[in-house]
Amino acid sequence: EAQVTQNPRYLITVTGKKLTVTCSQNMNHEYMSWYRQDPGLGLRQIYYSMNVEVTDKGDVPEGYKVSRKEKRNFPLILESPSPNQTSLYFCASKKGPNTEAFFGQGTRLTVV
Amino acid sequence: RKEVEQDPGPFNVPEGATVAFNCTYSNSASQSFFWYRQDCRKEPKLLMSVYSSGNEDGRFTAQLNRASQYISLLIRDSKLSDSATYLCVVPLPPTRGFGAGTILRVKS
Repeated sequence: EAQVTQNPRYLITVTGKKLTVTCSQNMNHEYMSWYRQDPGLGLRQIYYSMNVEVTDKGDVPEGYKVSRKEKRNFPLILESPSPNQTSLYFCASKKGPNTEAFFGQGTRLTVV
Repeated sequence: RKEVEQDPGPFNVPEGATVAFNCTYSNSASQSFFWYRQDCRKEPKLLMSVYSSGNEDGRFTAQLNRASQYISLLIRDSKLSDSATYLCVVPLPPTRGFGAGTILRVKS
């Protein structure tokens, strides 16, 4: 089954404790991206990648890192999480620039 | 100007009503257009692509107006299960172009 898989689905952590949210797709897609969604703000892009080893900042990259060492994986790293990073996070992938995006099921992160 | 703009709603309609959403986009070079549906706190899922000639899928009709740079979604005979947030997506650049969504609430 074609899918984008994120883990974990839910996470409660403390300020400053490094964490990684994994994202994997099995569709051989070139494009992958991370978004956060907060009430009233819609989907805001954190980082995106157009190919292996090619990543770039989105609208809200501060406090986040990503890597794209393999085509299928695009982990999101929070080196020192803060409460303002409490949010719902989505990973997405797409084959080409004009194709539909497929989303992971989301990761609900709470930083206390 | 935002890349993609939608009326956030909410649109509160009775079952059986017809409801329409519009979405405007800023980049005239855009080549692809989509409507996604998002249920509360779940991932967005593709509802339908929007083609130049317009397209219809059951109770849903999507249209594109390039001259005025907007797309529309028409839902006929609304069902309770249509209650959701509808996202307009105009991906130019490729990984951006998400509208903030329009909330639809269908009531019995």
